[in-house]
Amino acid sequence: EPEVTQTPSHQVTQMGQEVILRCVPISNHLYFYWYRQILGQKVEFLVSFYNNEISEKSEIFDDQFSVERPDGSNFTLKIRSTKLEDSAMYFCATSGQGAFGYTFGSGTRLTVV
Amino acid sequence: ELKVEQNPLFLSMQEGKNYTIYCNYSTTSDRLYWYRQDPGKSLESLFVLLSNGAVKQEGRLMASLDTKARLSTLHITAAVHDLSATYFCAVESGTYKYIFGTGTRLKVLA
Repeated sequence: EPEVTQTPSHQVTQMGQEVILRCVPISNHLYFYWYRQILGQKVEFLVSFYNNEISEKSEIFDDQFSVERPDGSNFTLKIRSTKLEDSAMYFCATSGQGAFGYTFGSGTRLTVV
Repeated sequence: ELKVEQNPLFLSMQEGKNYTIYCNYSTTSDRLYWYRQDPGKSLESLFVLLSNGAVKQEGRLMASLDTKARLSTLHITAAVHDLSATYFCAVESGTYKYIFGTGTRLKVLA
């Protein structure tokens, strides 16, 4: 079964550093999303991306966050200057044209120290 | 802003018992999804409910959707230990995002 692959699985970074989280979507999927989940809490929408541009973003997705699809395959989430409160599990999700429901990646656990 | 609430938040039940998890949401939506999450793992899709009155069943789990009441239920029949996990409902908000419920942490005791 096709999978959404995320790397790294775990990243530890110092406060103020930039991080890039990577996602390889399922090949024929057109819609891409990032969600985050602070430990033990609910899953929160960050951003959706379609046709090489942001479709919608949440209040969490401020100027410190950016997304891009640099090479037509990877889909990345960049946090420019990490804060302690950015520590969370970040999930990439993708969906296909006319499909219902997402396929979630395995997640990247980001720890900011 | 769409709000999605689940209850209960925590559920500890004996094997063999039945129970229902409720998912209420605040604004109109015709699409609702149920996911399962094991500790430290990703989200696994369980059910996709696309219309009022939709009912889906898989094994010991059955999900239903009442769009008029803005309510979905996830019913567990004769629980087994393997069902221990956190269950999330998610409501589609617009075309491009889901709003997740608060989650129900289920523990099935042998």
